[in-house]
Amino acid sequence: DAGVIQSPRHEVTEMGQEVTLRCKPISGHDYLFWYRQTMMRGLELLIYFNNNVPIDDSGMPEDRFSAKMPNASFSTLKIQPSEPRDSAVYFCASSRGGETQYFGPGTRLLVL
Amino acid sequence: GEDVEQSLFLSVREGDSSVINCTYTDSSSTYLYWYKQEPGAGLQLLTYIFSNMDMKQDQRLTVLLNKKDKHLSLRIADTQTGDSAIYFCADFSGGYNKLIFGAGTRLAVHP
Repeated sequence: DAGVIQSPRHEVTEMGQEVTLRCKPISGHDYLFWYRQTMMRGLELLIYFNNNVPIDDSGMPEDRFSAKMPNASFSTLKIQPSEPRDSAVYFCASSRGGETQYFGPGTRLLVL
Repeated sequence: GEDVEQSLFLSVREGDSSVINCTYTDSSSTYLYWYKQEPGAGLQLLTYIFSNMDMKQDQRLTVLLNKKDKHLSLRIADTQTGDSAIYFCADFSGGYNKLIFGAGTRLAVHP
C-alpha cells in the first residue's frame, strides 16, 4: 500500500491567502484525522472523520479553518484567510477502527 | 483531560541500550503506542501494546507496560545512529476516543 498521501509537501503563502491541504487515506481505512504540529504546542488533533462524517472538530482553532471529506479516498483542510500563526506542519492520519493511526509525511506550511 | 508525559531528551552511546519512559493518566486506555519521527518526516508507527499485556518484543524493541503505575517504556537494544529521532508515546483514550500524545523524547546517539 502507498500509505497516507498528502499534498503539497511544502506551501509558502502570504497572509490573507487561502490555503488548501489535501490528503488521501490508506485504502480501506474508515477514520481520517487532521493534526497540526508546532514547537510550542506539539501535536494537536484538529478534526477527525468516520466514514466521511466529521465526528469531533473541537480542535479546529477558529472559523478560518474548515475540513471536508467528500468521499472515502479524499479530504481537504482549508485555511481562509491564512495568518502567520498558522505556520506549522499539518499531518493527515488514517486508521481502520480508530485506534492504530498511520500518518502521512505532512505539509509544511509557512505563512508570511 | 487526559495527559501523557515524557522526558524531553536522552543521549546514548552507539551500541548501548536506550530506554525511553512515558507516564499517562488515562484509566480507560486500550492501546498504547510508540511513534518515531525523523527530521522533516511524518510519524512512523514503531510498535504498540494492548493494555492487558505487560510486555511486547519486536526485534530490537521491547515495550514494557506497568498498568498499575501507568508507566510505559520503550527499550531499544544496540542503539544505532539511525535511531536518532524524536519518539512519541501515545495513549488511545477510550473515554475521549482519540490518541493523546506526549511531547516527544529526542534521542541523540553519539559514537
